[in-house]
Amino acid sequence: EAQVTQNPRYLITVTGKKLTVTCSQNMNHEYMSWYRQDPGLGLRQIYYSMNVEVTDKGDVPEGYKVSRKEKRNFPLILESPSPNQTSLYFCASSLYSRGAESSYNEQFFGPGTRLTVL
Amino acid sequence: AQSVAQPEDQVNVAEGNPLTVKCTYSVSGNPYLFWYVQYPNRGLQFLLKYITGDNLVKGSYGFEAEFNKSQTSFHLKKPSALVSDSALYFCAVRDWYGGSQGNLIFGKGTKLSVKP
Repeated sequence: EAQVTQNPRYLITVTGKKLTVTCSQNMNHEYMSWYRQDPGLGLRQIYYSMNVEVTDKGDVPEGYKVSRKEKRNFPLILESPSPNQTSLYFCASSLYSRGAESSYNEQFFGPGTRLTVL
Repeated sequence: AQSVAQPEDQVNVAEGNPLTVKCTYSVSGNPYLFWYVQYPNRGLQFLLKYITGDNLVKGSYGFEAEFNKSQTSFHLKKPSALVSDSALYFCAVRDWYGGSQGNLIFGKGTKLSVKP
């Protein structure tokens, strides 16, 4: 089954304790992205990657890191989490190419990770 | 800069009635428009998209959306609502200009509540 998986699904942690949220897709997609969802703000992009070893900042990258060493995996790293990073996080993937047609590839989303930082 | 607006935080509809969830957009180049749905405790699911051509786009679960270039709108519609349609709906836009793809920008979401 084609899917995007995230782990963990729920996490409660304390300020300053480094954590990693994993994301993996089995669709051989080039493009992967991380979003956070907050009430009244919709989804905001944190980081994205157009292919292996190619990553770039989204709209709200502060306090986050990512890496893309393999095509299928795109972990989100919080080196020193703070309470304002309490949120619902989604990983997504899609096909990507250099042509304009890449703009209309829909994204496939993971089930989400609910993170609470105390 | 590209942007998406969903003017209604919540839409309430009686089962069997038609529903409309509104979306307006602003882009620099050609707009590529999407609707996603999020059911409780689930990730977002793709519903439909507009790329070019026919202004009326049909998607999953009986939903359709009408693209209106002059009004820069892409409203989601369904002729007869079901209780199971109750969910959070997101409009999103991506543009293509200068030979590069913009990022996907989401609206803030509209909660659809369908009552029996």
